[in-house]
Amino acid sequence: EVQLVESGGGLVKPGGSLRLSCAASGFAFRDAWMSWVRQAPGKGLEWVGRIVSKVDGGTTDYAAPVRGRFTISRDDSNNMLFLQMNSLKTDDTAVYYCSTRSQVTSFDHWGQGTQVTVSS
Amino acid sequence: DVVMTQSPLSLPVALGQPASISCRSGQSLLYSDGHTYLNWYQQRPGQSPRRLIYTVSDRDSGVPDRFSGSGSGTDFTLKISRVEAEDVGTYYCMQGTHWPYTFGQGTKLEIK
Repeated sequence: EVQLVESGGGLVKPGGSLRLSCAASGFAFRDAWMSWVRQAPGKGLEWVGRIVSKVDGGTTDYAAPVRGRFTISRDDSNNMLFLQMNSLKTDDTAVYYCSTRSQVTSFDHWGQGTQVTVSS
Repeated sequence: DVVMTQSPLSLPVALGQPASISCRSGQSLLYSDGHTYLNWYQQRPGQSPRRLIYTVSDRDSGVPDRFSGSGSGTDFTLKISRVEAEDVGTYYCMQGTHWPYTFGQGTKLEIK
C-alpha cells in the first residue's frame, strides 16, 4: 500500500523558516517524481514545486510565489522528501501536501497534509 | 502560467441526477508527445485530493464508471451520470502539460 506521511508543520513567525518532511512507502520512491502542493484556508490547490527522480536528472522546479525561498530535496536511501521553507510570509499559510503521480498510468497518491501557519 | 477556468463554481444536484463541470485552459494542453495532460480531482470535505481522471478521459483505478471525462485542446468536461451522496465535495481540473502545473478554481458539488 502506498503511504505518504507529512510532518514538520507548525506555527512560525513571518521571516522564519520551517522544514517539512514526507515519509514514503509502498512504491519505488527512487524512481518517482515527487511534488509539494498547498492549500490555503478555504482556498483551492496550488503547486509549490517538484523534484524529478535522480535517473531523470534530479532537477527541481518551483512555482513563482516560492521560487528562491523554498527548496525541495530528497533522500532516496530513506524514502524521504523534504521542503525547506525560508523567509516565510503570511501568504504561505496553508496545508502542505506531499504527492506523487504518473501522468499516463493510474498512479496518483497524496499524503494527509501538514498545517503551516505563518503569523506574528 | 496557464489559467484554468472552471464553471460553474457551485453545482447543486439532486441525487440520481447527472452533473457536468466545464474546464477551459488558457492555451492548448496537447503536449509534444501526443498526450493531453488534463486531470480531474475530487476533494471531499476534510480529505486530501483524489484523482479521478487523467489524460482527459482515463479513469483512475477504483473510480466508479459514473465519472467520465472528455474534451480536447482547451475545452474539457467532467460528467457524473448519476450523482450519489458520496460525490459531495469540490472538483478541480488540473493541467500537467505546462510547468507550473495549475488547477482550476474548484467546483463545489452539493446535494439539492
